Amino acid sequence: QQQVKQSPQSLIVQKGGISIINCAYENTAFDYFPWYQQFPGKGPALLIAIRPDVSEKKEGRFTISFNKSAKQFSLHIMDSQPGDSATYFCAASKGYGNKLVFGAGTILRVKS
Amino acid sequence: DTGVSQDPRHKITKRGQNVTFRCDPISEHNRLYWYRQTLGQGPEFLTYFQNEAQLEKSRLLSDRFSAERPKGSFSTLEIQRTEQGDSAMYLCASSLAVRYQETQYFGPGTRLLVL
Repeated sequence: QQQVKQSPQSLIVQKGGISIINCAYENTAFDYFPWYQQFPGKGPALLIAIRPDVSEKKEGRFTISFNKSAKQFSLHIMDSQPGDSATYFCAASKGYGNKLVFGAGTILRVKS
Repeated sequence: DTGVSQDPRHKITKRGQNVTFRCDPISEHNRLYWYRQTLGQGPEFLTYFQNEAQLEKSRLLSDRFSAERPKGSFSTLEIQRTEQGDSAMYLCASSLAVRYQETQYFGPGTRLLVL
């Protein structure tokens, strides 16, 4: 059973545009929602994370929007750059330091 | 801080052979995790340790898989009698299980190919 559903599977954005990736979760016990970025041949690296006590978190060009009632959260990449081309994964867990449940990933390509 | 390291980075083996992977976490991290990632999918949780204690094992972890973290530092993941379906990237991560410091830092992974 897939507990975190991610869309779209792939995304092509022009340089300078906004990239938006969406995730939906089922388990209401989840209370930690990170986004990871993965380049080919590398392990995932944390990009930004949010807990449900806030509805939005921004770090530089990256913003997470969180909707607790809809059980959805999304990643917005502003002013997308070719260097942002990678695979992005949303994830969820409950508590501190527990296992992460990942979405299936979104392959982002930013065209220059 | 040298990050999480994994060894080997690549492993090719024949079906039926045993393989062992090693993970060295970030030194002060008390939790260590193993995940498996297949092509086009997100990482799937296998097991994790708090110091040397194995706290949780996924149903994905058949009895052919065993993991240890003997002194609460490095960990090994062994797969016995490998099958072609075991071909995947095996990722290790570590963290501090403390509020605001719960980030899981991943290693580069060990890519396993079973022929």
